[in-house]
Amino acid sequence: NAGVTQTPKFQVLKTGQSMTLQCAQDMNHEYMSWYRQDPGMGLRLIHYSVGAGITDQGEVPNGYNVSRSTTEDFPLRLLSAAPSQTSVYFCASSPVVEGIMAQHFGDGTRLSIL
Amino acid sequence: RKEVEQDPGPFNVPEGATVAFNCTYSNSASQSFFWYRQDCRKEPKLLMSVYSSGNEDGRFTAQLNRASQYISLLIRDSKLSDSATYLCVVVSGGYQKVTFGTGTKLQVIP
Repeated sequence: NAGVTQTPKFQVLKTGQSMTLQCAQDMNHEYMSWYRQDPGMGLRLIHYSVGAGITDQGEVPNGYNVSRSTTEDFPLRLLSAAPSQTSVYFCASSPVVEGIMAQHFGDGTRLSIL
Repeated sequence: RKEVEQDPGPFNVPEGATVAFNCTYSNSASQSFFWYRQDCRKEPKLLMSVYSSGNEDGRFTAQLNRASQYISLLIRDSKLSDSATYLCVVVSGGYQKVTFGTGTKLQVIP
């Protein structure tokens, strides 16, 4: 019954630090993605993956890396945190049926960069 | 023009009322459309996909108008529990182009 699990739920970093946001899903979904949500801007796609070993950039990929070594896990790495990366981050997964993706979201990670 | 636009609201409606939201999109080649709801400080949750022929799920009806490039969500017999922000999502250009609207806030009043 876990669905999409994100850790940590909250994190405070100093400028220049690096960290990894974890995302795991137990639904055997091919598609996984990372979004950030900022006030007044909606969710914006950072990176996505259509299967193990395959990743690609979304709308706002700069400053972030991803990898997809297994179907279940899709970690997001912040290379050198900047205050502009303060946001709420959501991971999502979806089966792909005839190109239609109905995404299931994790609870989110609230990240503050000082 | 934004790629996906929604009226931010808030829409304040009494219980039992019918309310409708629209969402306009700019890319005529967009392929699939969805409505999500998001409660305050929570994750978005899929409400329904939007099909070309329109679709209904209980009190909720979604429509797609490709000619005018908008999707709509109609909620009948509003409940207090419907209070949330409703996000439209437009997918175009394959998996890379998943665009969320900024959301329409609904407040159902007793």
